[in-house]
Amino acid sequence: SQTIHQWPATLVQPVGSPLSLECTVEGTSNPNLYWYRQAAGRGLQLLFYSVGIGQISSEVPQNLSASRPQDRQFILSSKKLLLSDSGFYLCAWTLGNDYEQYFGPGTRLTVT
Amino acid sequence: RKEVEQDPGPFNVPEGATVAFNCTYSNSASQSFFWYRQDCRKEPKLLMSVYSSGNEDGRFTAQLNRASQYISLLIRDSKLSDSATYLCVVPQGGKLIFGQGTELSVKP
Repeated sequence: SQTIHQWPATLVQPVGSPLSLECTVEGTSNPNLYWYRQAAGRGLQLLFYSVGIGQISSEVPQNLSASRPQDRQFILSSKKLLLSDSGFYLCAWTLGNDYEQYFGPGTRLTVT
Repeated sequence: RKEVEQDPGPFNVPEGATVAFNCTYSNSASQSFFWYRQDCRKEPKLLMSVYSSGNEDGRFTAQLNRASQYISLLIRDSKLSDSATYLCVVPQGGKLIFGQGTELSVKP
């Protein structure tokens, strides 16, 4: 069966520090991968999605970036965090044209 | 009109009650719809998919009204464990658009 991993589970970082969040999927090949952010009490905001290695689409211009160095690995990065980057970051996957997305456990980021 | 709009919460209901949430969407071309459940501080999990006029799974019934562009979720015989936030989700342009969510609190 397919599983999706995210780490770390929680993270506290100072303003201006770099960020790297990792997401990996097991048990499937060539998934579509997604990064979402959920601010406290808010809905999910799509940040990036990828349909293949090296293919990244950005939904919202900001100081975050994403990379997909391997088929089942998706990385979210920032060179300098802002206070507004605090939130719950969720990675999700789906296959092909299937719209049913499956989420990882998320990373709760607090920027201080 | 927002792409996906849900009933504002929270809904506070006693155990055993029937509760219904509504969700409206703006893209009339959407063909499939989803309800996700999100527990506090957890990731969303798929609850139900709706591809035609509706879907039923035990105590949960989802109905679709294409003419009025809304989807509803009905929960019968509410349990304490149903307490969560329910997210209405509509595919659009190859992506999923999430509603803000409706919080449900089932009380003993």
